[in-house]
Amino acid sequence: GNSVTQMEGPVTLSEEAFLTINCTYTATGYPSLFWYVQYPGEGLQLLLKATKADDKGSNKGFEATYRKETTSFHLEKGSVQVSDSAVYFCALSVQTGANNLFFGTGTRLTVIP
Amino acid sequence: DAGVIQSPRHEVTEMGQEVTLRCKPISGHDYLFWYRQTMMRGLELLIYFNNNVPIDDSGMPEDRFSAKMPNASFSTLKIQPSEPRDSAVYFCASSLGPGPQYFGPGTRLLVL
Repeated sequence: GNSVTQMEGPVTLSEEAFLTINCTYTATGYPSLFWYVQYPGEGLQLLLKATKADDKGSNKGFEATYRKETTSFHLEKGSVQVSDSAVYFCALSVQTGANNLFFGTGTRLTVIP
Repeated sequence: DAGVIQSPRHEVTEMGQEVTLRCKPISGHDYLFWYRQTMMRGLELLIYFNNNVPIDDSGMPEDRFSAKMPNASFSTLKIQPSEPRDSAVYFCASSLGPGPQYFGPGTRLLVL
């Protein structure tokens, strides 16, 4: 089936630290992969995406590379800021006509000054 | 573009009352999704539509929940009768074809 396994949180980092949030997936078919971010009290926002193997999605200093060989899509940022505190969701969709997303459980990140 | 619009943003009601949540998708999008988010269960897909037709409602928890999409610019999620365990944040999202989904700000529902 289709599923996403995400690193359990919460994650607490100091400002300017390096961030990695692990995400692995299983999929029937050829998935597109996404990272969404949810700030407190808000809806989910698309952070970045990758649609084929070896693609790198990037946005706001965050990056993730679609690794087919390891079925992974780990989220990284070189230097986090307090404003990055949020919940991060990894997700996949399979291009079979349906368009539903399969979400991971979310990882809460807190960045302290 | 205004993005996905949801109303109300907050709803407090008493057990047994009917609750109607509303969603206006992004203009031109042909998919619409309803999700529920709770601390215990995380983010759950309830139902989604393609071109106003329900495609998969397997996530709808029980018969008390119903969803409609009478036209391309409007959808409702109704709970009748509501129960305290329905308390959650309900999100609507829309997408164009297989593209990424864009989420609304959510409706925070509290059933007393």
